[in-house]
Amino acid sequence: EVQVVESGGGLVQPGGSLRLSCAASGFTFSSNWMHWVRQAPGKGLVWVSHINNDGSSTSYADSVKGRFTVSRDNAKKTLYLQMNSLRAEDTAVYYCARVRPGSPDAFDIWGLGTMVTVSS
Amino acid sequence: DIQMTQSPSSLSASVGDRVTITCRASQSISSYLNWYQQKPGKAPKLLIYAASILQSGVPSRFSGSGSGTDFTLTISSLQPEDFATFYCQQSYITPPTFGQGTKVEIK
Repeated sequence: EVQVVESGGGLVQPGGSLRLSCAASGFTFSSNWMHWVRQAPGKGLVWVSHINNDGSSTSYADSVKGRFTVSRDNAKKTLYLQMNSLRAEDTAVYYCARVRPGSPDAFDIWGLGTMVTVSS
Repeated sequence: DIQMTQSPSSLSASVGDRVTITCRASQSISSYLNWYQQKPGKAPKLLIYAASILQSGVPSRFSGSGSGTDFTLTISSLQPEDFATFYCQQSYITPPTFGQGTKVEIK
């Protein structure tokens, strides 16, 4: 079965750090660009970051630039999001999503998400 | 960034109704427009990509149209399992941006 599963969320104090993981299975992970998308409670979807298939190119939303770092380990079929200097406004469910092969930035596989709560 | 505006923000409809949701981009995005369905507590699900191509496994009652700045998602006959929030998303340029969502509720 083609799937991605996020983990690593939790409660963290403002200014703290967290590392999210996204484990992929059922497809050739190393062939796909991957994205992180977040959703604050009761709000809409907001793009966070992407990484190309070999990890050589990344991009970030302005709101997280300089604080978040996306990376991947193709041997482990795992995507990561290192989040530093966390703020209350980073509180959200974080989804990893696969880009549909051949369709620029259409996200065809999503995980269930992992909740990040930034609060003192 | 390209702004995506959906209308309406919410609607009430009955089973069997024809439902239309529109999405407008702040600049031309050709056909780089995708539609997603999200149910409460669940991940989004890709319905349509490239404005009008149905994702594998998605029922044919869903259809998409449009190009440039104006796009439409149509559900030809609303089914009980279709009550959800729908989002459009442009994939023309980074950052990919989403509309604010349209919540489809039971009348």
